[in-house]
Amino acid sequence: GAVVSQHPSWVICKSGTSVKIECRSLDFQATTMFWYRQFPKQSLMLMATSNEGSKATYEQGVEKDKFLINHASLTLSTLTVTSAHPEDSSFYICSARDPSGAEQYFGPGTRLTVT
Amino acid sequence: RKEVEQDPGPFNVPEGATVAFNCTYSNSASQSFFWYRQDCRKEPKLLMSVYSSGNEDGRFTAQLNRASQYISLLIRDSKLSDSATYLCVGLGSSGDKLTFGTGTRLAVRP
Repeated sequence: GAVVSQHPSWVICKSGTSVKIECRSLDFQATTMFWYRQFPKQSLMLMATSNEGSKATYEQGVEKDKFLINHASLTLSTLTVTSAHPEDSSFYICSARDPSGAEQYFGPGTRLTVT
Repeated sequence: RKEVEQDPGPFNVPEGATVAFNCTYSNSASQSFFWYRQDCRKEPKLLMSVYSSGNEDGRFTAQLNRASQYISLLIRDSKLSDSATYLCVGLGSSGDKLTFGTGTRLAVRP
């Protein structure tokens, strides 16, 4: 199956700093990628849809100025958590839709801890 | 009301048991449904798609009842390796957004 990678797999940062998470589709081109967040014992919540070459579409309640998404190429989308706070500590997971649109493939996730 | 609802469990069963998970959804326009499996601190992985006609993959059987807006997953002859959280997932009417249930946790004991 298709492979999606994320980097870093985990990160610890201080409150007020910014953190960038990369999501790459390794063996296919993805015009659409998705960013999710999962808090402990909760479901994955879609944060935004990342479209190559255009602005991301954010879900209701997600601050676009805090969670910056860039999808500059067909294989890379980045999520930058700006001015991170402890409440942003979570498991961030990206997914990429294959060209046929039939399936989404998930990255392994990035665990962010803000101290 | 959540768009996809599941019993969070945990379901604690012995090896070899048969266990059934249920899920209800509120958006009747949802196109497709899936069961995903998520291990602790890992990403979700697609287990199987769910069809109205029912579908079976080895020990796993999934069923969709559109009239009742109800989805089920049956696991027969449970293995220790089946221990995980099972996520009921719907694909939106526009065909792109996945909506996840909170998951049902399964623990299979020796």
